[in-house]
Amino acid sequence: NAGVTQTPKFRVLKTGQSMTLLCAQDMNHEYMYWYRQDPGMGLRLIHYSVGEGTTAKGEVPDGYNVSRLKKQNFLLGLESAAPSQTSVYFCASSYLIASDTQYFGPGTRLTVL
Amino acid sequence: QQQVKQSPQSLIVQKGGIPIINCAYENTAFDYFPWYQQFPGKGPALLIAIRPDVSEKKEGRFTISFNKSAKQFSLHIMDSQPGDSATYFCAARESYNTDKLIFGTGTRLQVFP
Repeated sequence: NAGVTQTPKFRVLKTGQSMTLLCAQDMNHEYMYWYRQDPGMGLRLIHYSVGEGTTAKGEVPDGYNVSRLKKQNFLLGLESAAPSQTSVYFCASSYLIASDTQYFGPGTRLTVL
Repeated sequence: QQQVKQSPQSLIVQKGGIPIINCAYENTAFDYFPWYQQFPGKGPALLIAIRPDVSEKKEGRFTISFNKSAKQFSLHIMDSQPGDSATYFCAARESYNTDKLIFGTGTRLQVFP
C-alpha cells in the first residue's frame, strides 16, 4: 500500500515549457486535490476532483489544467510555465469528503527559470 | 484575502515547553477544523481535528482548544520534544458552497533540547 505517490520529485523548466505532474493513490479515494506550497502562504488549493471524470477550480487555478480520467490518478498540467509557478506541489486524496483525512504525497519541487 | 489567519509564523521553545499556535477565522459556515503537521521534505499529515460542537480535544500531548464565539482555535503541545520540530498548519472546512479545506499560512516550530 503505497498511499499517495507523485511523479516527478524534482523538475526544472524554462519559461514557456509545458509539463504534467502525475499523482496516483491506491486507497480507492473519491476526492483528490492539487495544492501549491509557497513560503509564508501555506497550502493553496489549485484544482480538485470529487470523483472520476470530474474536476473543479480551487483558490489559484490560473495557468493550470487537470484531468481525472481514472479514479486513482489525478494529473496537473502546466501549458506554458512561468517563474511565478515555481513552487512545491502536493497532491492529496481523501475518502469521500474534505473533512475526511487528507493523505498527502511527498511533493514535487518545480523551478521555472 | 486570508480566510484562516494563523500566528505566529515561527516559534522557538525549549524541550518541555508548551508551544501554542493560534488560528482565527471569519466564515461561520466552517464546520471542521484540522491541524496538519509537516516535517521537512515531506507532505503534511493530519495531527488532530475538532468540530465546533466541542470546546477541547486531546490526543496524547496535542490539544485543540476551540472558542466558537471568538471564532478562534489553537493547538497546544504539552511537554514538547525536539521530534515535534515541524511546520504546523491549521485549516477549516468550507462546506456551504464547496467541500474543501482552507489552510492557514503555517507555523514553523523548533524545539531545542
